[in-house]
Amino acid sequence: AQSVTQLGSHVSVSEGALVLLRCNYSSSVPPYLFWYVQYPNQGLQLLLKYTTGATLVKGINGFEAEFKKSETSFHLTKPSAHMSDAAEYFCAVSTVSGTYKYIFGTGTRLKVLA
Amino acid sequence: DTGVSQNPRHKITKRGQNVTFRCDPISEHNRLYWYRQTLGQGPEFLTYFQNEAQLEKSRLLSDRFSAERPKGSFSTLEIQRTEQGDSAMYLCASSLGQGSSYNSPLHFGNGTRLTVT
Repeated sequence: AQSVTQLGSHVSVSEGALVLLRCNYSSSVPPYLFWYVQYPNQGLQLLLKYTTGATLVKGINGFEAEFKKSETSFHLTKPSAHMSDAAEYFCAVSTVSGTYKYIFGTGTRLKVLA
Repeated sequence: DTGVSQNPRHKITKRGQNVTFRCDPISEHNRLYWYRQTLGQGPEFLTYFQNEAQLEKSRLLSDRFSAERPKGSFSTLEIQRTEQGDSAMYLCASSLGQGSSYNSPLHFGNGTRLTVT
């Protein structure tokens, strides 16, 4: 069965600084990986996804993530944080076949300091 | 694409009462998921439909929970004899999927927040 671990439940960065949110997955078959963002009292919004092909994927709002199979990681980065990036971020995994559900990590709350 | 719609947005109920939530997915999406989210946690899978068929239900889901998706369109989630531990945000998501592939992203609604007093 697949699983996702997000290291760091809270991350604080200064405005303009690099954002790095960590995600490691476990899967016995090739995974599909996703990052979502959630603002208070709202549902989750897709930031980016990795299915196949290029391992560096770009998403909305300047975010990108790199799939590293050898490290079983899919960390999310953004070169320069904006105040509007303050939110909760979730990494999720699904697999090629056999399991229907998408498994989510416990989330990382990003705080951006002025 | 009008998005996934969930109603109501908020529900306050007394312990022991029954509640029902509705989800209207994106119209062309054949897959529909229900998740539960508590404070400080990620979404927890509850159940999943492909068209009108309920294909999987979490083993953590009590028999008090039931979901339907008649005609493969909207879905309802009912909780009978609510308990305080049922207080959470209930999220609905939909996706367009083919065959056994699960690489399509989920599109989420804004959720229904349930408070059981």
